[in-house]
Amino acid sequence: DGGITQSPKYLFRKEGQNVTLSCEQNLNHDAMYWYRQDPGQGLRLIYYSQIVNDFQKGDIAEGYSVSREKKESFPLTVTSAQKNPTAFYLCASSMVLARETQYFGPGTRLLVL
Amino acid sequence: GQQVMQIPQYQHVQEGEDFTTYCNSSTTLSNIQWYKQRPGGHPVFLIQLVKSGEVKKQKRLTFQFGEAKKNSSLHITATQTTDVGTYFCAVSGGSYIPTFGRGTSLIVHP
Repeated sequence: DGGITQSPKYLFRKEGQNVTLSCEQNLNHDAMYWYRQDPGQGLRLIYYSQIVNDFQKGDIAEGYSVSREKKESFPLTVTSAQKNPTAFYLCASSMVLARETQYFGPGTRLLVL
Repeated sequence: GQQVMQIPQYQHVQEGEDFTTYCNSSTTLSNIQWYKQRPGGHPVFLIQLVKSGEVKKQKRLTFQFGEAKKNSSLHITATQTTDVGTYFCAVSGGSYIPTFGRGTSLIVHP
């Protein structure tokens, strides 16, 4: 079954803690993206990657970091520098950057305790 | 990234009424995509428009791309309760970096 998976579904973070959100795809897509969704805000781009070992900042990259060591994996770390991390995080992938359909994972809801 | 305005933010309709959401950009777009997100779910691709003046239909949904490639609309005829959700447009300009509109939340009253 081809698709994109994210884990965990819910994640709780304590103040000052870094947490990593997992994103895996078996669609053989080159491009991958991370979005943050807040109520009434739509989807805002955090980071994107066109190919392995390359990634670029999106509109709201501060307080986040990513890696792209494998084509199928694009983990997102929410660092302690991100002061308002509570949100719904969505990972997506596409064949090439923005020109093709983006397929989304089920998302991870991050809550700060 | 590209700037895009999507209106309205919310729309309440009675089941059977029509619904339209609009996306507007101040610059020319390379393409526009439309997605639907059900409550508690993730966005799902509906369609992509590329050509100036393009019109595409999917059953009760009609998608249009403006002649100047700066605006687009999604129209649903005779809404049903299954149409409930938030509809997003996603645009990209010359850089191909995607930008999503804020979405229009459709609420259908039976």
